[in-house]
Amino acid sequence: SQQGEEDPQALSIQEGENATMNCSYKTSINNLQWYRQNSGRGLVHLILIRSNEREKHSGRLRVTLDTSKKSSSLLITASRAADTASYFCATGDSSYKLIFGSGTRLLVRP
Amino acid sequence: NAGVMQNPRHLVRRRGQEARLRCSPMKGHSHVYWYRQLPEEGLKFMVYLQKENIIDESGMPKERFSAEFPKEGPSILRIQQVVRGDSAAYFCASSPPGQGGVGEQYFGPGTRLTVT
Repeated sequence: SQQGEEDPQALSIQEGENATMNCSYKTSINNLQWYRQNSGRGLVHLILIRSNEREKHSGRLRVTLDTSKKSSSLLITASRAADTASYFCATGDSSYKLIFGSGTRLLVRP
Repeated sequence: NAGVMQNPRHLVRRRGQEARLRCSPMKGHSHVYWYRQLPEEGLKFMVYLQKENIIDESGMPKERFSAEFPKEGPSILRIQQVVRGDSAAYFCASSPPGQGGVGEQYFGPGTRLTVT
């Protein structure tokens, strides 16, 4: 069954605006990761946040994790047209599997 | 430093034929994972392999699907007697030894299988 569920399913914003995507999951995790997928392409790893971390930054990306609510958010600041892609959260437990959500499709209008 | 390589990138098969998908992990990586992605959906775990060992194949259909990661050469995902429902993108990922998947996985570009 699906572990991570992203919200919203689709998001359309103007270039320069911020984009926020949310991910909820069901079971305990070791880490939570965010990936980007451009249309018809493979996945690019964006950021990994461990279960004992609450916030992490990487360039224009900010990820938060609330293990009490079993949720995470990805914030992309000052969005660019090149950020247009699908964004997936994936949870990892103490094993090796990554369980992916169904993704948020982000469109950044120039 | 080449990333994860998959070939072919696109594969068309008629119903009943066999599909062979190849994955070469990143240099130094000994863990390989296969995922399947249906249109407009996230990736679903299929199988996890280390060299010459299948560690977990719980996500792989029990019939028609098999995977291997030999001592030499790429990992192979084999689908026998393909059906239209097998049409999907198949992604391979790898990770270094000792990490076992609790960290980042590095994904290949995928193979898009179309069954006609």
